[in-house]
Amino acid sequence: NAGVMQNPRHLVRRRGQEARLRCSPMKGHSHVYWYRQLPEEGLKFMVYLQKENIIDESGMPKERFSAEFPKEGPSILRIQQVVRGDSAAYFCASSPPNFRQINYGYTFGSGTRLTVV
Amino acid sequence: KNEVEQSPQNLTAQEGEFITINCSYSVGISALHWLQQHPGGGIVSLFMLSSGKKKHGRLIATINIQEKHSSLHITASHPRDSAVYICAGQFNMNYGGATNKLIFGTGTLLAVQP
Repeated sequence: NAGVMQNPRHLVRRRGQEARLRCSPMKGHSHVYWYRQLPEEGLKFMVYLQKENIIDESGMPKERFSAEFPKEGPSILRIQQVVRGDSAAYFCASSPPNFRQINYGYTFGSGTRLTVV
Repeated sequence: KNEVEQSPQNLTAQEGEFITINCSYSVGISALHWLQQHPGGGIVSLFMLSSGKKKHGRLIATINIQEKHSSLHITASHPRDSAVYICAGQFNMNYGGATNKLIFGTGTLLAVQP
């Protein structure tokens, strides 16, 4: 039972390019969360998705950032026209459909380190 | 003011010492998570608890719902325990209109010296 898979592990983009970060949740998990960790800062919530549905995007920057979790395939976090300030570690986590299943809480991926040059 | 506060921010211990990291939160939560992150590394979920106490190996996590406080203890600490330990609150369904998102503390950087 593979854990949460994120790819790529490291991504380098030039300013103005697009970055696509992928996250495949654990088997049986239908909820996906994206978190960002800026250098020397703590983790911050970005977006919470279920299949084909964005539940909470209150942590997403208003422009250039979008996320999706299609019926088939991984969740994608897309950053258009990247700037140096987007350089960060982006972590994906997944959880089962019923958050009251306390024994099966969050599982985090290994993260994608985005560097904008 | 962050909804989740951790202390201390930095902690240095000698190998074998008993370690305690504290976490307080300001509003109701459905669960409290303790996470571990090695420098440049991924995030490992250590505990998820909503009441009482959990133990895994040398790690113990407790939570007091009335006092809105949780502690992570490490017994017989070892240099390999050196990492950042993060507590995070999983907030109730009605908080901010969303379920399940985590609000993180700033982390405690633990260094265990041999």
